[in-house]
This record gives sequence, structure tokens and C-alpha cells, in this order.
Amino acid sequence: DTAVSQTPKYLVTQMGNDKSIKCEQNLGHDTMYWYKQDSKKFLKIMFSYNNKELIINETVPNRFSPKSPDKAHLNLHINSLELGDSAVYFCASSQEGRSPLHFGNGTRLTVT
Amino acid sequence: QKEVEQNSGPLSVPEGAIASLNCTYSDRGSQSFFWYRQYSGKSPELIMFIYSNGDKEDGRFTAQLNKASQYVSLLIRDSQPSDSATYLCAVTPRDSNYQLIWGAGTKLIIKP
Repeated sequence: DTAVSQTPKYLVTQMGNDKSIKCEQNLGHDTMYWYKQDSKKFLKIMFSYNNKELIINETVPNRFSPKSPDKAHLNLHINSLELGDSAVYFCASSQEGRSPLHFGNGTRLTVT
Repeated sequence: QKEVEQNSGPLSVPEGAIASLNCTYSDRGSQSFFWYRQYSGKSPELIMFIYSNGDKEDGRFTAQLNKASQYVSLLIRDSQPSDSATYLCAVTPRDSNYQLIWGAGTKLIIKP
């Protein structure tokens, strides 16, 4: 009965590789998000989709590409991974724009 | 530049006392205000949200909003060691239904 689930939980990879993180929510929410939390614990929004439509696309390298096949899924693909990409990536969802966010458990990405 | 400011702490409070966490925001037109708790290595979880001026109580937690002074606070009564965590303040700005502006968080330590 997990509300927002993301996989994998841990991801260790080498520079230059391509990797994906998957996210699914079973709350029936219309909006999903990707956040990045760096070592200083600051949460930064990357992308947001509302009913499969991209509505927030913050200034992130174009190596990061979100994909939303339906409103319950939002995946994040990262090309040519760099050391600076190491962080915890959180998926989240909300019923509507000003509603509280429900977070997944996070994916800790380590690039070596 | 819209900002949300929090004292990074750590804020140390004796068990059983009241913990008071504060947050100020720069966008006077901000609409929605959230407090999230994040344990080390875990994802943020919603504690309280408040939309109108005044106090909102939920169990041991009280959120206080003062739009004129542009601050929102969280009071935790009868603090327990399990309340030790980082508390994140987040604000929805006037010009976006989906964007959240996050504070850097206040680390709270409850001493037995």
C-alpha cells in the first residue's frame, strides 16, 4: 500500500554512464515532481508534471530528462553522469498545485 | 529572488519543553505554508500546513502564520526525543500553483 514508490533505493555508478530512476504513485494525484537534495540537505525542484504535461522545468542540465507515460508514473533518465550528480533524488506527488506533497523514499545516487 | 529563511540550528530543547521553530519568507503574496519533518536518511513527511492567518493546532503541533510580518512558526509541545529531526519550511509563492520555495531546514535536538 505504498503511496509513492521509487526505485532503486541506492544507485552506484561510474562517470559517463546513463541511468534511470522510476517513480510510481497510487494516490490518484494529478501532479508529480522530481526533487534533488544535495549534501547540504537543500531541496531543489527539478521537474513537475501535471496530468502528463511538463509544467516546471527548472534550470538543470539537459542530461536530465523526465518522462511521464501516465499520470501515475514519472521517471528520470540521466545521461553521461558526472560526479556532481551525486545526491538524493526524491519523487513526490500532490493532488493539486497548492496541496501538500507526498514524497517517495528517495534514491541515493553515487557517481564514482 | 523569492526566499524562505530558517535558522539552521541545531536547536537544542529539553525533553518535555516547547520547541519553537521559525521561518520567514520574502514573497508577500505567498499563499500556502507547510512544515515537513525529515529524519536523517529519510524522506520529508508533512507535519502541518496552514493557509490563513492565525494558529492551527494538531495534537502536540501548532502552526502559526502572520502574513503581515511574513513569518510562519511551528510549536511542538511536550517535546520528545523522537521529535529530533530537521524541520523544513516550504511556501507556495503568489505566481505559481506548483512551485514550492523551501527553507534550508532547522535541525532540532530534544535532549532527554
